Amino acid sequence: EVQLVESGGGLVQPGGSLRLSCAASGFTFSNYWMHWVRQAPGKGLVWVSRINSDGSSTSYADSVKGRFTISRDNAKNTLYLQMNSLRAEDTAVYYCARQSSAAPDYWGQGTLVTVSS
Amino acid sequence: DVVMTQSPLSLPVTLGQPASISCTSTQSLVHSDGNTYLNWFQQRPGQSPRRLIYKVSNRDSGVPDRFSGSGSGTDFTLKISRVEAEDVGVYYCMQGTHWPPITFGQGTRLEIK
Repeated sequence: EVQLVESGGGLVQPGGSLRLSCAASGFTFSNYWMHWVRQAPGKGLVWVSRINSDGSSTSYADSVKGRFTISRDNAKNTLYLQMNSLRAEDTAVYYCARQSSAAPDYWGQGTLVTVSS
Repeated sequence: DVVMTQSPLSLPVTLGQPASISCTSTQSLVHSDGNTYLNWFQQRPGQSPRRLIYKVSNRDSGVPDRFSGSGSGTDFTLKISRVEAEDVGVYYCMQGTHWPPITFGQGTRLEIK
């Protein structure tokens, strides 16, 4: 069974940093591209970032470019999102998702990031 | 960026009746490889999104056959042949043809009338 479990969310002050993790199991993690997608409270889905299977290629939404860094450790079956210079508008549930047929298919349960003083 | 526009944004439906959600993109979603990367997701209350349909009309594993996707170019539709109580939630279309960025529609909230 495919499982994606996010962790690392919490309350952080504006300008602060957090690192999210996503532990993958039930599939060969190193074969799949992965994504981060976020959802502000009561709002829709917004794509944040994606990384290819070996970590050599990454892409970001303009809103996070230069502040967030996606990475992966295929030996640990784990996806990461390093978030720096956090802003109030980054407050959201962050989901990691596996890519299949060029789109996210399996999603984790999400981890809440709250940016507030 | 490709903008995805869904309608309606709110969809009250009687149990057992059909439902239809439209999704329009600002550019054709036909990729240079010939595929059209238009997907549909369901998000039930309090749950993570779940993909229902990929590449316009392909149902994901475990998705009931009352869900179907159709369309081409810039106009796409998700249909539910007979709405059941478990179908309540928000439905999103998503394009993966022209990226980055991947873009989602605003979401359509389906409720039981």
